[in-house]
Amino acid sequence: DAGVIQSPRHEVTEMGQEVTLRCKPISGHDYLFWYRQTMMRGLELLIYFNNNVPIDDSGMPEDRFSAKMPNASFSTLKIQPSEPRDSAVYFCASSPGLAGPKNIQYFGAGTRLSVL
Amino acid sequence: SQELEQSPQSLIVQEGKNLTINCTSSKTLYGLYWYKQKYGEGLIFLMMLQKGGEEKSHEKITAKLDEKKQQSSLHITASQPSHAGIYLCGADTTDSWGKFQFGAGTQVVVTP
Repeated sequence: DAGVIQSPRHEVTEMGQEVTLRCKPISGHDYLFWYRQTMMRGLELLIYFNNNVPIDDSGMPEDRFSAKMPNASFSTLKIQPSEPRDSAVYFCASSPGLAGPKNIQYFGAGTRLSVL
Repeated sequence: SQELEQSPQSLIVQEGKNLTINCTSSKTLYGLYWYKQKYGEGLIFLMMLQKGGEEKSHEKITAKLDEKKQQSSLHITASQPSHAGIYLCGADTTDSWGKFQFGAGTQVVVTP
């Protein structure tokens, strides 16, 4: 398996523009996670899905952020409109389950977002 | 509040020397996971601990879990340049079931 695949790797956009980040999880993994990493706040869980259904989105910072998982092999994280404070590295991860060894999460390479 | 505290925040070690990183949880642990991250890259899973007293090793990296102290330590023996990076601990805790928590990370620099 190729692992978790994220695109794009880098995104530079202007304030107010819509940004869409994409993720393909590892085949067979039932859980998908979106994280944001910044120097100030470290690695934060934004939302996670189980079998394509959003389970907990309490980490999503504002209504400007939305995430979808239309099928088992694809998820998107959208920011509309984007703001400079959204600049961060966004990671997608997937895992087979939630308990013990099944909760070993495998991370994509991340998308580095810069909002000017 | 930060549930997982890592120490130190950063350390510089001479090649060939040993180093230890600690991760302490304020909540009961169900599982403790160690990851490594290189700049500009994603997190790589190292090992997972579940039971008190459990110890696991992979090459020159050893991790232990002290259940009473709700603490885990990561020890690297005879460090090499390849050990440089950021080490993060992550955990399932009683209050965060399904919401994986990460520590702030420890940056390791290995000098010649």
